[in-house]
Amino acid sequence: EAEVAQSPRYKITEKSQAVAFWCDPISGHATLYWYRQILGQGPELLVQFQDESVVDDSQLPKDRFSAERLKGVDSTLKIQPAELGDSAMYLCASSLDRWADEQYFGPGTRLTVT
Amino acid sequence: AQSVTQLGSHVSVSEGALVLLRCNYSSSVPPYLFWYVQYPNQGLQLLLKYTTGATLVKGINGFEAEFKKSETSFHLTKPSAHMSDAAEYFCAVPENSGGSNYKLTFGKGTLLTVNP
Repeated sequence: EAEVAQSPRYKITEKSQAVAFWCDPISGHATLYWYRQILGQGPELLVQFQDESVVDDSQLPKDRFSAERLKGVDSTLKIQPAELGDSAMYLCASSLDRWADEQYFGPGTRLTVT
Repeated sequence: AQSVTQLGSHVSVSEGALVLLRCNYSSSVPPYLFWYVQYPNQGLQLLLKYTTGATLVKGINGFEAEFKKSETSFHLTKPSAHMSDAAEYFCAVPENSGGSNYKLTFGKGTLLTVNP
């Protein structure tokens, strides 16, 4: 069964350092999402791609976060510099076309900033 | 703006008992509603999806949800809880994020504990 792959699964970094997360969506899925999930909360959308284009990054803290999906396949989310408040689970999801389709989630990357 | 309220951050039931997890949405009738489940240290998995026209939606693992427009609710139920149902459950509602694009707004989640 096809799955969304994410790496690393766990990341510990010191504040002010740079960190990057990678996501490989299910083959053929045009839409890719990055979510941040703080402990005890629901996921919050950071950025949504349709193929290689960003369609929503309104909640992405652009002074320190960046995301790209250059060839419309896999994607990278970067934080530079990391802050203590960035500690959270970062989830990647993909769907066949747009938001109304089922979103398939990866296992997530748990980030701890010390 | 659309918002989702899940009443009860933690629900505890005995094995074999009825499971009821509550979800209310705030705005006009959305075209879709979703319930997702998250097991520890995993991503979310779709349980069921409501589309306009159906009031009772059946999902995986014996779960179902009833859409009640008059109550702006979409509560999740399962007649008999199993130990393997212990997880966190999220209700999600689409919210317009500009033009024809929508994003899912998730509730804060309800942690279900099943006692033997």
